[in-house]
Amino acid sequence: QKEVEQNSGPLSVPEGAIASLNCTYSDRGSQSFFWYRQYSGKSPELIMFIYSNGDKEDGRFTAQLNKASQYVSLLIRDSQPSDSATYLCALNQAGTALIFGKGTTLSVSS
Amino acid sequence: EPEVTQTPSHQVTQMGQEVILRCVPISNHLYFYWYRQILGQKVEFLVSFYNNEISEKSEIFDDQFSVERPDGSNFTLKIRSTKLEDSAMYFCASSGFGDDQPQHFGDGTRLSIL
Repeated sequence: QKEVEQNSGPLSVPEGAIASLNCTYSDRGSQSFFWYRQYSGKSPELIMFIYSNGDKEDGRFTAQLNKASQYVSLLIRDSQPSDSATYLCALNQAGTALIFGKGTTLSVSS
Repeated sequence: EPEVTQTPSHQVTQMGQEVILRCVPISNHLYFYWYRQILGQKVEFLVSFYNNEISEKSEIFDDQFSVERPDGSNFTLKIRSTKLEDSAMYFCASSGFGDDQPQHFGDGTRLSIL
């Protein structure tokens, strides 16, 4: 059974701060890891994906993957109020279903 | 930017009726998926579809559910004899071929069973 665990939050950070979102998973066979952002009542929106150990940066976002420790994280630099949303961690093995965590709610205060 | 399109945005149906949810995946994508999200819960996988057949399905996707690609652009999810617990947001997603192709989601259909 593939499980994805996330702290539900809410995680509250002031505007301009770094938000750190974490995710652990149980299936060592997982190959691909994704972070989606979901605003209330909306669909998941892809933020980042990462396949290899280490860091991957895209603008204000950095995804970090450590397969040995079975965790993946998302850092958001210079957090903005518009970043306030639920962040979903998801994983799969190649070409298969995404398994989602319950998500972490981020609140950025101005 | 290409996007996944879903219709209708909201569907209200009496319990026991059949519903068909429609999706137009991104045109050059080859894998198609349906997910659902019950209010306040996590996104759950239902089924994936590739090369005109189901490639994977979850325990949720029982005989009540079926999928079809009736033409070159549409991808549908049919729910026969709906139940109250089928009330949820249903998301269609699509992805290209290859390990590095992430899934892109449509805006979803909110299904309300009365």
